[in-house]
Amino acid sequence: EAGVTQSPTHLIKTRGQQATLRCSPISGHTSVYWYQQALGLGLQFLLWYDEGEERNRGNFPPRFSGRQFPNYSSELNVNALELEDSALYLCASGGETQYFGPGTRLLVL
Amino acid sequence: GQQLNQSPQSMFIQEGEDVSMNCTSSSIFNTWLWYKQEPGEGPVLLIALYKAGELTSNGRLTAQFGITRKDSFLNISASIPSDVGIYFCAGSRPGGGGADGLTFGKGTHLIIQP
Repeated sequence: EAGVTQSPTHLIKTRGQQATLRCSPISGHTSVYWYQQALGLGLQFLLWYDEGEERNRGNFPPRFSGRQFPNYSSELNVNALELEDSALYLCASGGETQYFGPGTRLLVL
Repeated sequence: GQQLNQSPQSMFIQEGEDVSMNCTSSSIFNTWLWYKQEPGEGPVLLIALYKAGELTSNGRLTAQFGITRKDSFLNISASIPSDVGIYFCAGSRPGGGGADGLTFGKGTHLIIQP
């Protein structure tokens, strides 16, 4: 059974640009969670999507947004990138028990 | 956001030693999870705990869900070089079913000295 997949593995952008990150959950999972893992800040909950809808978000500004597609894959969009957005972005699927993908490392220059 | 209090922050041990780490919280959790993360990779689930008092093993790893639902520990017996990595505890709050996302500790960095 395939695990959670994410693309791209690395992404380099400049300040003010937009970044788009993608995630495919484990087959049969309808929920996708996004987390940010910034240096020194640990893993922080960003967004939760289930059945195509945004169900909850963590303490992040609206320029962090996304969507979930009918096949349950998901996109995370980060607009107006700032230097402090540089981090590893992790996607997970499941519910109370979550399984993580390998992450996308975003570097904002 | 809220984080769990995980300790120790790092451990320097000899191969073959046993390891113990724990997480505490001021809030109760429905589920406690332990993950291991290696450089450049996502966290890998090691053990999931669903009931207060539950003790679960996975090979050389043993974890317990505290009876107060506010803490958990992870033990690793007879450590080997491939145990090196960062271990995270995570919890899921009551009523959420994962809705609030997981709350994470800051991690325990395990280093094994030759």
